[in-house]
Formats: sequence, structure tokens, C-alpha cells
Amino acid sequence: DAKTTQPPSMDCAEGRAANLPCNHSTISGNEYVYWYRQIHSQGPQYIIHGLKNNETNEMASLIITEDRKSSTLILPHATLRDTAVYYCIVRSGGSNYKLTFGKGTLLTVNP
Amino acid sequence: SAVISQKPSRDICQRGTSLTIQCQVDSQVTMMFWYRQQPGQSLTLIATANQGSEATYESGFVIDKFPISRPNLTFSTLTVSNMSPEDSSIYLCSVEDTGTANTEAFFGQGTRLTVV
Repeated sequence: DAKTTQPPSMDCAEGRAANLPCNHSTISGNEYVYWYRQIHSQGPQYIIHGLKNNETNEMASLIITEDRKSSTLILPHATLRDTAVYYCIVRSGGSNYKLTFGKGTLLTVNP
Repeated sequence: SAVISQKPSRDICQRGTSLTIQCQVDSQVTMMFWYRQQPGQSLTLIATANQGSEATYESGFVIDKFPISRPNLTFSTLTVSNMSPEDSSIYLCSVEDTGTANTEAFFGQGTRLTVV
């Protein structure tokens, strides 16, 4: 799987948009970009994933650059409950489809 | 989305003993995985639990230490054998509907294990 690079921590004000970057410069054409988050003492929670196009769901938006070498997860209106570690994962197709977690970004939403 | 129940949610165990962790899913799933999360660290995949056959272990994990069973499409167990304090971690079960890259994984709440 391609490696990802994320900032170790970020802060965001409550009610503002949180934009979490991820670099994956060695991504291959059949690899998906996934985002999960882990709130303290809980299991990871799926947020969103995409291949080439931008994606949006009820939780967040995923913006993937045209060259697919980086992406941004957007939480449009961050709340205190969005404080968590956010993991950006690049996932291969074929037989090597396992999720490999990096260190992620600790997002702290401040009142 | 699948609902995953892990038991026990936490335990404190004596070194040298074994603990079996259960993972129950509310629907049939193709793939089940076990992860370990050591204190302050990210998740590490231990193995893929295969129904009706031996689990597939990742590098650094062996069947004698982490035997896994998967008798059907909704249930799996992970045993942590001959425990030492270094085994103190959160152990997480994860499931997916398909074995492809285009599907989300769902996680249980984890089992917090402390070995004394």
C-alpha cells in the first residue's frame, strides 16, 4: 500500500470547518483513499472513501487532487464531539486489500 | 452498517494465563479481522479470521500466541496465550462485507486488556 503523511495534530474552533490534509504521493491507480477516526477509548469509525472523484456524505467531504497525490477531509461544522484521531489510509485492490493504519492526526476542536 | 459486540470489554489478567475475546456480528460478513492497539499507538493488524480454515497471520504474530477461531460468518474468537505485561493493549475486531478495496470496515469497541 502507498504510504500516507499527515500532520500529527491540528486545532479547530467549534462551528468552523476542519480541513485535514493527507499526502499520498506514491498512490497507484487502483488504490482508494479512506478516512477513519478514533474517538478516545472507542473503536475506529468509518468516515468516507474515494478513488478519483470528490465524495460527500452526511459526515464529511473528501477532496482528492487531480493527480491523486493528496487529499483533504473536510468536516464542515466541527463540534466538540469531532475531537479524535483521524486516519488517512490508502488501500490497494486485489489480494492486498488490508487496512494499514498510520499515526493519524489528532484533531482538537476547541470551544 | 454492521453492529459488532466484543466481550469482555475489559479485563485484568495474571501473567502466564490466557484470555479469549469474543466478537459477535449482527449479520453475516465475509471478512473478519483482529487488531491490536498498544498504549499510545496506532492499530496493528494481527490476523484475518477465515471461516473454516486457519487464520492468516501478519508478520510478527503467530498462531501459538494468538489462536483464532471462526466457526461461522458471524462469530470469531481471539485468544491471547501465556500473557505477559507486554500484551497489555486494546484488541479490536473488525468486519467487512466483501474482501475488496472498495468497502468500509466496521470496528467493535475493543477489549482493553491489562496484564499484571
